[in-house]
Amino acid sequence: EDKVVQSPLSLVVHEGDTVTLNCSYEVTNFRSLLWYKQEKKAPTFLFMLTSSGIEKKSGRLSSILDKKELFSILNITATQTGDSAIYLCALYGGSQGNLIFGKGTKLSVKP
Amino acid sequence: GAGVSQSPSNKVTEKGKDVELRCDPISGHTALYWYRQSLGQGLEFLIYFQGNSAPDKSGLPSDRFSAERTGGSVSTLTIQRTQQEDSAVYLCASSLALRTEAFFGQGTRLTVV
Repeated sequence: EDKVVQSPLSLVVHEGDTVTLNCSYEVTNFRSLLWYKQEKKAPTFLFMLTSSGIEKKSGRLSSILDKKELFSILNITATQTGDSAIYLCALYGGSQGNLIFGKGTKLSVKP
Repeated sequence: GAGVSQSPSNKVTEKGKDVELRCDPISGHTALYWYRQSLGQGLEFLIYFQGNSAPDKSGLPSDRFSAERTGGSVSTLTIQRTQQEDSAVYLCASSLALRTEAFFGQGTRLTVV
């Protein structure tokens, strides 16, 4: 069965800290891994990763994929209170076309 | 349109009534997905469309749930004889093609009383 496991489930840090969020997976026929940020209702797209070892970066956020060890990390440097959200990891894989989501990591950034 | 548009944004309905939720994807996007998210839970896959066809209906929780997509654009998710356990946020996403970046709408918060 395809699955996506995120850790930790929740995390509390202070402004300025650096955080690393983890996503491990088991999937047949891996195609790509995506990260989303969910603040209220709608998840907002962050990154899509298809190749191992190539870092994707956007401002203070970056992500990398390891297809050999079957995981990805999302790094946030110099965290701000506006980074507080649930971060979701999702996969395209298997024989169907839908995204398979993990349960998310709830990040709280304290002033 | 500029983004995925869902309507209504909030819906309160009485148990036993039927509801229709609408999703208008980004123009030109061929793939469309429906998910639901109950309070404090992860995203539960319901159904996806490639064009007008739905290759995978396995995520629909019961035969009270149905979805259609016409003209390769707007999709409606219909829930018949709503139950309290149907209360959730229903999220729609679209992507240019299957297995490309998917973008979500703002969701419909459904409350069954």
